[in-house]
Amino acid sequence: DQQVKQNSPSLSVQEGRISILNCDYTNSMFDYFLWYKKYPAEGPTFLISISSIKDKNEDGRFTVFLNKSAKHLSLHIVPSQPGDSAVYFCAAPGGATNKLIFGTGTLLAVQP
Amino acid sequence: GEEVAQTPKHLVRGEGQKAKLYCAPIKGHSYVFWYQQVLKNEFKFLISFQNENVFDETGMPKERFSAKCLPNSPCSLEIQATKLEDSAVYFCASSERREKLFFGSGTQLSVL
Repeated sequence: DQQVKQNSPSLSVQEGRISILNCDYTNSMFDYFLWYKKYPAEGPTFLISISSIKDKNEDGRFTVFLNKSAKHLSLHIVPSQPGDSAVYFCAAPGGATNKLIFGTGTLLAVQP
Repeated sequence: GEEVAQTPKHLVRGEGQKAKLYCAPIKGHSYVFWYQQVLKNEFKFLISFQNENVFDETGMPKERFSAKCLPNSPCSLEIQATKLEDSAVYFCASSERREKLFFGSGTQLSVL
């Protein structure tokens, strides 16, 4: 049962444009959501999070939007830069011990 | 230390051999997590610790996998009698609370 889903395996965007990465979830009890970024041969690094009581959180070029009625969140990167090319994972804490449940990731390629 | 240190980076084992992976969490972090990344982008939760106590082991294969976090020692994940299907990247993460995990760069285990 995949509680956190990223339906787009990859996304290609031109440098300077907006990147929009999407994530859907099934469990309405999730308290917050996180986005992680992963480069090859490295571990994921935390990018941004959002509490379920908010609908938007912004940090520099990164903004996460949460639509609870649709059980959908998205990560916006504006403007996109070549260094943003990585795999992006959304995650949420679930289960009795709030272990992080990850989506399957979206590979973002920002073209110069 | 200021980052999660995982050793070794690569480990090759013949089927049936034992594999032992190590993780030094960030100093001051109470929680340690192990994740297995089998397919390129799928993270499977294995086990978590709160200090030296098992916090959640619901993801651990019962028979061949074990893990420990002892005081003043790196945490370890041990696989007895490895199988081909154990080939994966194993990530360790630590955190001060249960959210916002900091990941190591992983151990690539190849079972031949």
